[in-house]
Amino acid sequence: GAGVSQSPSNKVTEKGKDVELRCDPISGHTALYWYRQSLGQGLEFLIYFQGNSAPDKSGLPSDRFSAERTGGSVSTLTIQRTQQEDSAVYLCASSSRRGLAGGLEETQYFGPGTRLLVL
Amino acid sequence: AQSVTQPDIHITVSEGASLELRCNYSYGATPYLFWYVQSPGQGLQLLLKYFSGDTLVQGIKGFEAEFKRSQSSFNLRKPSVHWSDAAEYFCAVAPNSGGYQKVTFGTGTKLQVIP
Repeated sequence: GAGVSQSPSNKVTEKGKDVELRCDPISGHTALYWYRQSLGQGLEFLIYFQGNSAPDKSGLPSDRFSAERTGGSVSTLTIQRTQQEDSAVYLCASSSRRGLAGGLEETQYFGPGTRLLVL
Repeated sequence: AQSVTQPDIHITVSEGASLELRCNYSYGATPYLFWYVQSPGQGLQLLLKYFSGDTLVQGIKGFEAEFKRSQSSFNLRKPSVHWSDAAEYFCAVAPNSGGYQKVTFGTGTKLQVIP
């Protein structure tokens, strides 16, 4: 597609339920990133994929959070046993990382996000 | 570790007026610096970035930013604001190695444009 897409755009769930958030990166982009944006906060890094592997999971806030990427394309972020503090906008981004200066010369493209509300 | 501060949470300007959004960073060496814009319901869009060289950086949509090492600042400017510029603006800083996963974002400045 033309850009990064995410689904669903909005998700309301009850505390304790599991949720899955999906990200479709730009075709051919090898690097994929998940961020969390809480109200009044900047973006918080969650996890980074290069291909199907995740060399950096340092931002995942707890073991309730996990993510996978298959076929070097689609990624799913799963939150188990959701809590109210998980309510936020979850953003996905992709870039064509060619290993130059860590990839920062390549522009990172963001999806529109999934707005998650845990009741 | 690096950090970035956007001291203005909310700014209101009149359409046609000039704009300056402040950003201060903390990092031991020369960082990589970014400005992003986020319109309601949208993801972030890169306006401009500074890696090295000319300290005055031109971006999209008529924006520019100036890196001032002595002041640890990277303020965003636009000479004449349009109503469509109403959005939230994020400054970000990254170390000069390590990739986008090392980027630290500011908390954002929300811009309101009045007629």
